[in-house]
Amino acid sequence: DVKVTQSSRYLVKRTGEKVFLECVQDMDHENMFWYRQDPGLGLRLIYFSYDVKMKEKGDIPEGYSVSREKKERFSLILESASTNQTSMYLCASSLQGENIQYFGAGTRLSVL
Amino acid sequence: GEDVEQSLFLSVREGDSSVINCTYTDSSSTYLYWYKQEPGAGLQLLTYIFSNMDMKQDQRLTVLLNKKDKHLSLRIADTQTGDSAIYFCARGSSARQLTFGSGTQLTVLP
Repeated sequence: DVKVTQSSRYLVKRTGEKVFLECVQDMDHENMFWYRQDPGLGLRLIYFSYDVKMKEKGDIPEGYSVSREKKERFSLILESASTNQTSMYLCASSLQGENIQYFGAGTRLSVL
Repeated sequence: GEDVEQSLFLSVREGDSSVINCTYTDSSSTYLYWYKQEPGAGLQLLTYIFSNMDMKQDQRLTVLLNKKDKHLSLRIADTQTGDSAIYFCARGSSARQLTFGSGTQLTVLP
């Protein structure tokens, strides 16, 4: 079975803090994605990566950056957290050329 | 309008059938997907249908695709309390991405 692991289920941070959300997958998938999920808005794509050291902006990249130094790990970085970044963050991965994505359990981030 | 649209809420009685509907605008999608999200969890792939198919059945799940109307539905037969969850419709794109609907919260009443 594909396993996508997000390092934290819950995080509470202060406004202005730098926040790292970590995601690791164990199935040698080339593609990795970061989404945020807000009620009534579904999932919105923040950033994605098709290869190591490669990154592409999604639909809502403002206020975020990412890092992919190793194939299995994709990190989402909030350089200076703000209250409007309070949300559920979901990581996903997929095989090259495939659409089916496998999701982690999510990280619920609260920025106070 | 939104690329993939769903109703936000659906309530059914235990044992009845549930039908969750989805409409989309981009007819170039090759695959269409249904994901399930249980409380506090990530998304789990339920089923998918290739765009040249009209129907796919998998145990209690039936997916119907009307390409002309760009309408996708998920029918759950004999709905149980364990089916209470958020159901997301998604379409695949050639860029290996998925575009998700807003999700339908299914509540199963005893």
